[in-house]
Amino acid sequence: AQSVAQPEDQVNVAEGNPLTVKCTYSVSGNPYLFWYVQYPNRGLQFLLKYITGDNLVKGSYGFEAEFNKSQTSFHLKKPSALVSDSALYFCAVRDLQAYAGNMLTFGGGTRLMVKP
Amino acid sequence: NAGVTQTPKFRILKIGQSMTLQCTQDMNHNYMYWYRQDPGMGLKLIYYSVGAGITDKGEVPNGYNVSRSTTEDFPLRLELAAPSQTSVYFCASSSPAPNPNTDTQYFGPGTRLTVL
Repeated sequence: AQSVAQPEDQVNVAEGNPLTVKCTYSVSGNPYLFWYVQYPNRGLQFLLKYITGDNLVKGSYGFEAEFNKSQTSFHLKKPSALVSDSALYFCAVRDLQAYAGNMLTFGGGTRLMVKP
Repeated sequence: NAGVTQTPKFRILKIGQSMTLQCTQDMNHNYMYWYRQDPGMGLKLIYYSVGAGITDKGEVPNGYNVSRSTTEDFPLRLELAAPSQTSVYFCASSSPAPNPNTDTQYFGPGTRLTVL
């Protein structure tokens, strides 16, 4: 069975500093990995995804994520945080071998707080 | 282009009551999904549909029913509401062609349901 872990419930960072939101995964086959962001009282918005190829994936709003197969990780990063980046971030995985209607397995979410 | 819309935004039910959560998408997506999000938890898949007339159970289907008579609409039915169904419900859609494993899901704004 596929699973995703986001080990930090909350990440605090000062505006202008780099940020990292951690994600590790477990799948039986090749992983397809996604990051979504959720602003208050809104649905999830797609940020970026890793399918294949370059391990560094660039996405919306200046975010990027690095796929590390040996560490089974897909950490979300941004070089310089903005107060407006404060939101709830979800990592998700899809396992090709567990295909069932494109089912995504989500992590528990990490709340990012960027302080001025 | 409204994307994925959900109604109502909020609802309070008494135990044993029934209701239907509405979901509509205008992107001509074949795949549609219903998730629930509990506090501090990731999203759990309730039901999904790969096209009109086709539905299947996700991870947590008990207590819910769905139908998919058109491409655009995917209502979620609660027949006998229970306090355990207090949650935020998200509808999503995606277009899996050409590779169903790499597509992106688009989410609605959610319905916050409380069962007392």
